[in-house]
Amino acid sequence: AQTVTQSQPEMSVQEAETVTLSCTYDTSESDYYLFWYKQPPSRQMILVIRQEAYKQQNATENRFSVNFQKAAKSFSLKISDSQLGDAAMYFCAYRPYLGGKLIFGQGTELSVKP
Amino acid sequence: GAVVSQHPSRVICKSGTSVKIECRSLDFQATTMFWYRQFPKQSLMLMATSNEGSKATYEQGVEKDKFLINHASLTLSTLTVTSAHPEDSSFYICSAGDTEAFFGQGTRLTVV
Repeated sequence: AQTVTQSQPEMSVQEAETVTLSCTYDTSESDYYLFWYKQPPSRQMILVIRQEAYKQQNATENRFSVNFQKAAKSFSLKISDSQLGDAAMYFCAYRPYLGGKLIFGQGTELSVKP
Repeated sequence: GAVVSQHPSRVICKSGTSVKIECRSLDFQATTMFWYRQFPKQSLMLMATSNEGSKATYEQGVEKDKFLINHASLTLSTLTVTSAHPEDSSFYICSAGDTEAFFGQGTRLTVV
């Protein structure tokens, strides 16, 4: 069975600085999707970034980028130039390539200090 | 991206009554939708997979008679919490989408 692990329950970053959130996963599949979702206090789930496992290039979305290490089954999220609005719960998630349920990590609560 | 609308966003009900939560895909068809439950500061816990035109698939430990799921059309799935009790108070979220999951706004249920 697939599992997703986020080992950092809480992280803190100074505004304008860079922070990296960790995520590891376990699967026997070769093709799959990985996601980072943000959940602000409103509790609306927002997609931050998505990575297809067959793509070697790391995904990037503006200030957000990932370090995808397929062999190590690691999928970390780097937030550059952190802003106050980045404060939220961040969830790493795995999904099989052919669809199906998302498997979430435990979440990391990120606080941003002004 | 696609839009999933969930209604109501907040509901308070009396113990013993039933509550229905709706999840609609507004601009795409969804043969499969997912229902989650989330406690404060915790991750999303999958309750069931809703399949259009067939029975829902429940995760282990989820009471199918308490949490009734109906997926009667390609754009609507409903979750009915039957005979609600205070311990059913929680945040319920639905999602749809084949590759990327699109989430509803969530429903905060309070049973008094």
